Amino acid sequence: QVQLVQSGSELKEPGASVKVSCKASGYTFTNYAVNWVRQAPGQGLEWMGWINTNSGNPNYAQGFTGRFVFSLDTAVNTTHLQISGLRAEDTAIYYCARGFYYDSDSDASDVWGQGTLVTVSS
Amino acid sequence: DIQMTQSPSSLSASVGDRVTITCRSSQNINNYLNWYQQRPGQVPRLLIFAASTLHSGVSSRFGGSGSGTEFTLTISSLQPEDVATYYCQQSYSFLRAFGGGTKVEIK
Repeated sequence: QVQLVQSGSELKEPGASVKVSCKASGYTFTNYAVNWVRQAPGQGLEWMGWINTNSGNPNYAQGFTGRFVFSLDTAVNTTHLQISGLRAEDTAIYYCARGFYYDSDSDASDVWGQGTLVTVSS
Repeated sequence: DIQMTQSPSSLSASVGDRVTITCRSSQNINNYLNWYQQRPGQVPRLLIFAASTLHSGVSSRFGGSGSGTEFTLTISSLQPEDVATYYCQQSYSFLRAFGGGTKVEIK
């Protein structure tokens, strides 16, 4: 079946880096974008950006430039989110989600990964 | 940037009630509006895209309407399994902002 499976929870110290993976299966990986969404504890959803799985071109929302990097490994249908210089406020669940385009420039996230909890604490 | 504002932030209604959630955008987004449901402790789930198109497998109790800057999500007859937080998201501009969410509880 169509699914996105994310890597497991991470506990990191401030200043460290983390890499979250999101492996797609059950569909043609390069036919859909991948969005990344953050959810801090007890808070709402925050769209971080997306990656074009054809070109590998990443696009970042304001507030997610610099320390956040989206990348691809198309050989294994996997998208990665790397966060460097971790801060306590980066503690959150990070979701990847498949973006299906219902119009030329408009998409919706129809399949979601299970989420990866990243905890930043000393 | 386009800002998305939902109201109310929370509501409590009885089983069987009709529930309406409003989402307003800071500028015209035509009908490029998605709705998601996130049940407690679960992953978000797509309910509606293009303002009014029900996603596959979603109950017909859910309906969406609106265009331009004002949109509504309606639950025609609230059920216990509808307890969740609902989010709108615009897909008109490059920055796909979410609304702040509306928490729906059973009275």
